[in-house]
Amino acid sequence: GENVEQHPSTLSVQEGDSAVIKCTYSDSASNYFPWYKQELGKRPQLIIDIRSNVGEKKDQRIAVTLNKTAKHFSLHITETQPEDSAVYFCAASKAGGGNKLTFGTGTQLKVEL
Amino acid sequence: GAVVSQHPSWVICKSGTSVKIECRSLDFQATTMFWYRQFPKQSLMLMATSNEGSKATYEQGVEKDKFLINHASLTLSTLTVTSAHPEDSSFYICSAPLQGAYEKLFFGSGTQLSVL
Repeated sequence: GENVEQHPSTLSVQEGDSAVIKCTYSDSASNYFPWYKQELGKRPQLIIDIRSNVGEKKDQRIAVTLNKTAKHFSLHITETQPEDSAVYFCAASKAGGGNKLTFGTGTQLKVEL
Repeated sequence: GAVVSQHPSWVICKSGTSVKIECRSLDFQATTMFWYRQFPKQSLMLMATSNEGSKATYEQGVEKDKFLINHASLTLSTLTVTSAHPEDSSFYICSAPLQGAYEKLFFGSGTQLSVL
């Protein structure tokens, strides 16, 4: 089955700096890669996603890049703010896989003032 | 946007009792729902896929007789943890895909289960 690895497990940045979280996946058939933000005790919230026919997608301060050949994708947050502090999960799924998402291990992002 | 409602948000029970968790899609129909379990500071692990009108599909290592799933309508799926034990204490969360954007999953608010 699919295996998604995520790094780093914790990330601390100063407010205004950029943050980058990286994930790799094992199943070359995976074609959908969402990113979720989860605050403590709350539900994961979809913040951005990308499909395999696209190399990059941007939404305001958030961007995701995908390298299909290398089977890795990354989340980029620019101009970080304290409210960006949360746990971020990457995930992967494939068409015909019944929407089954395999999640990465999570990254605890802390944005310090 | 799509809303998935989950109840209760937290429950404390005695060892050996059963606990039912409900997951409802409020503004869309969900023929499929997913149940995840999340231990503290860990990732979400898929437990089972709930299918409306048919049996649930369980992931390897998940006891189907312990975690009973019922998906009786297009908007409601329930997870019952039977004979709960302290090791079942966890954050349980459901999710449903949005029709027309089938990959996008929307999550319920989660249920924190504590078994004493």
